[in-house]
Amino acid sequence: EPEVTQTPSHQVTQMGQEVILRCVPISNHLYFYWYRQILGQKVEFLVSFYNNEISEKSEIFDDQFSVERPDGSNFTLKIRSTKLEDSAMYFCASSGSSNQPQHFGDGTRLSIL
Amino acid sequence: AQSVTQPDIHITVSEGASLELRCNYSYGATPYLFWYVQSPGQGLQLLLKYFSGDTLVQGIKGFEAEFKRSQSSFNLRKPSVHWSDAAEYFCAVGVYSGYSTLTFGKGTMLLVSP
Repeated sequence: EPEVTQTPSHQVTQMGQEVILRCVPISNHLYFYWYRQILGQKVEFLVSFYNNEISEKSEIFDDQFSVERPDGSNFTLKIRSTKLEDSAMYFCASSGSSNQPQHFGDGTRLSIL
Repeated sequence: AQSVTQPDIHITVSEGASLELRCNYSYGATPYLFWYVQSPGQGLQLLLKYFSGDTLVQGIKGFEAEFKRSQSSFNLRKPSVHWSDAAEYFCAVGVYSGYSTLTFGKGTMLLVSP
């Protein structure tokens, strides 16, 4: 069964540095998402992306964050000038259309020191 | 805005016993409802979904859920729990306004005792 894959599985970064989290969505999917889960808290929506532009974003997704689909297969989340509170598990998801279930990757655990 | 409440943080069930995990939602229209499961160190796996139609939906791994509009609930059930079902379970509501977002509950951790 096709899967969403995320790399790396764990990223450790110094506070203030930039990180890029990578995702390869399911190949025929058109809608892409990022969520995050701070330890012990609920999974929170960050952003959705369709047709090479952001379609919706949450309050969390401020100017520190950006997303990009640099080629036909990758979908990235960039976090500039990371803060301690950015430490979380970041999940990528994709769906074939806006009313189909989202399929999630295994996540990237981001640790900011 | 939509919200999801999972009132039980932890539940312990004996292997072979039945299971019901509670989920209540708040949303102004007919929701799209989901249950996801997360095993330690893993991502979120879709167990089942409700979009419309039959209010009792069947999912993978022997799980089912029933949508009750009058109670704003979407409880997850399994008649006989296996040790491998130990995981965290998340209920989510989807808002489809051209673009979809999921709002998750805080999750229920299921522990299975021998």
